[in-house]
Amino acid sequence: DTGVSQDPRHKITKRGQNVTFRCDPISEHNRLYWYRQTLGQGPEFLTYFQNEAQLEKSRLLSDRFSAERPKGSFSTLEIQRTEQGDSAMYLCASSLTSVNTGELFFGEGSRLTVL
Amino acid sequence: QKEVEQNSGPLSVPEGAIASLNCTYSDRGSQSFFWYRQYSGKSPELIMSIYSNGDKEDGRFTAQLNKASQYVSLLIRDSQPSDSATYLCAVKGSSASKIIFGSGTRLSIRP
Repeated sequence: DTGVSQDPRHKITKRGQNVTFRCDPISEHNRLYWYRQTLGQGPEFLTYFQNEAQLEKSRLLSDRFSAERPKGSFSTLEIQRTEQGDSAMYLCASSLTSVNTGELFFGEGSRLTVL
Repeated sequence: QKEVEQNSGPLSVPEGAIASLNCTYSDRGSQSFFWYRQYSGKSPELIMSIYSNGDKEDGRFTAQLNKASQYVSLLIRDSQPSDSATYLCAVKGSSASKIIFGSGTRLSIRP
């Protein structure tokens, strides 16, 4: 059983560069979520997909952030023109659709450091 | 007003005692409620889910939900040092399926 995997685990970049993170969810899970977490805070919702459809994107998310899930399997999160405030842990989680569940399975995260 | 609010702690509890963690939420139509545990440097993991008013017990953990008061709590009985972690309250809203997390309560169990 391979859980949620994220790549890369760590990324150091210079301000202004673009970065892309990949998430491979648990194979039978049709929902995929992206969160951002900074030290001492809970995960902040960014966006989520059901299959290949992006159902919601946080209003707090600037246009520099974009996410895709082209075939309803893996997903990518791209940050363009990175800023120091983008430094955080980017968490991906997956789940099964059901009326009354929201049981998320998280990957180990991708830590971004913007210099 | 934050959508999901928790006291950040730290909450210090002696080993063997009961730890009580609390959470309030703003969306009155919320349907599903969760407690996640996050060890330092690790990702969150689900420990309890609750969907209807009342108590739900699982081993040493009891989740309590009061929708009228928009309040969720987690009790940990016979606290162990291994329970030291940050506990995140999460809520699934009514109008969408996004899951919103609180900022977490840091729990420390002292021997």
